[in-house]
Amino acid sequence: GEEVAQTPKHLVRGEGQKAKLYCAPIKGHSYVFWYQQVLKNEFKFLISFQNENVFDETGMPKERFSAKCLPNSPCSLEIQATKLEDSAVYFCASSQQQNYGYTFGSGTRLTVV
Amino acid sequence: GQQVMQIPQYQHVQEGEDFTTYCNSSTTLSNIQWYKQRPGGHPVFLIQLVKSGEVKKQKRLTFQFGEAKKNSSLHITATQTTDVGTYFCAGPSAGGTSYGKLTFGQGTILTVHP
Repeated sequence: GEEVAQTPKHLVRGEGQKAKLYCAPIKGHSYVFWYQQVLKNEFKFLISFQNENVFDETGMPKERFSAKCLPNSPCSLEIQATKLEDSAVYFCASSQQQNYGYTFGSGTRLTVV
Repeated sequence: GQQVMQIPQYQHVQEGEDFTTYCNSSTTLSNIQWYKQRPGGHPVFLIQLVKSGEVKKQKRLTFQFGEAKKNSSLHITATQTTDVGTYFCAGPSAGGTSYGKLTFGQGTILTVHP
């Protein structure tokens, strides 16, 4: 399809619980990116993939965050032991080429209570 | 590290007025991209500029990339209520392993009064 499909749209977790977010990139797009958007509109880069290979994970809090893009499955972003500060909208985006415009998914709003 | 700054943070205009947002990078960029995010929505890619001094137009929107490839602007002529949203500029992150990672500006929130 021509859209990046993110699920779920909303997710509420108690502090300390696990959260798992999914993203199906556009078919044919080799690059997948995860960003966190917090209240002040700031985008924080988390991780990128080229196909199923991690390209850049410099933005990931590694002790609690993990992500995968496996063949024939949606990509996933998992947060173990969520904290209040993880509350944000998590956007997945895909791109056909490096250094070209992203197509963003509609995002997952994570609320940690 | 690399910074991409946008001004103004907010802009309120009357419908029909023009609007401009400015973007400045602390480093030279290979390209600059612009996105629009409607309230409650997701960013939508508008355009990419690559060449020094490049100017591109999309209907009422005019995009410019500075000669030094460190700044850019988006100008909207005769705003309409459909132009409401946050406009972000973004440039490839500095460093040899950026691999398409973007650094986003803080965005300019545009409101249009009918």
